[in-house]
Amino acid sequence: DTEVTQTPKHLVMGMTNKKSLKCEQHMGHRAMYWYKQKAKKPPELMFVYSYEKLSINESVPSRFSPECPNSSLLNLHLHALQPEDSALYLCASRTGTSGQETQYFGPGTRLLVL
Amino acid sequence: AQKVTQAQTEISVVEKEDVTLDCVYETRDTTYYLFWYKQPPSGELVFLIRRNSFDEQNEISGRYSWNFQKSTSSFNFTITASQVVDSAVYFCALIKTGGFKTIFGAGTRLFVKA
Repeated sequence: DTEVTQTPKHLVMGMTNKKSLKCEQHMGHRAMYWYKQKAKKPPELMFVYSYEKLSINESVPSRFSPECPNSSLLNLHLHALQPEDSALYLCASRTGTSGQETQYFGPGTRLLVL
Repeated sequence: AQKVTQAQTEISVVEKEDVTLDCVYETRDTTYYLFWYKQPPSGELVFLIRRNSFDEQNEISGRYSWNFQKSTSSFNFTITASQVVDSAVYFCALIKTGGFKTIFGAGTRLFVKA
């Protein structure tokens, strides 16, 4: 089973709202990722958690706040977003071991900021 | 520095035609992995294949085949007898062994017309 789930599938929020995106996997993977993808572009890395610790932050604005409560869950808290933050947000996971670099992606959350 | 180039932005074929998607990469790492992902309109990135830098054997999976040539730093993907369901964006990607950051190409959008 190589399933990564994401909720919600779609989200519309105003610039003053606070919302959260959720990602879950039960494959025993110890590395989890958040990507942002704009239309007709490749995924752009935002954050990487390895063994529940933040290991990579690609200079993402503080209005995006990641959280990894346990090895199966990854959240992305959103606050005071801008319209240009509208995009597809993808979560991915992998085992975290060298030699097992394949990432498995969730279906994504399509976010619209008004 | 690592880089993945997919020079074909869009390709349009008629059903049952064969089509090859090109991927050229640059890396100074001696060991690395190459990937192909498919992204249908629904948004999820679907893992297709992983190749490590030691294994130049070509691979075939049904109508899909991959040609890895280290001498030319290429990892091309051929779909034989294309079908409408193959319409998607295809991403080639690269990661160094033990690394956490995947480098994606810009993607090739494939349209297969009935």
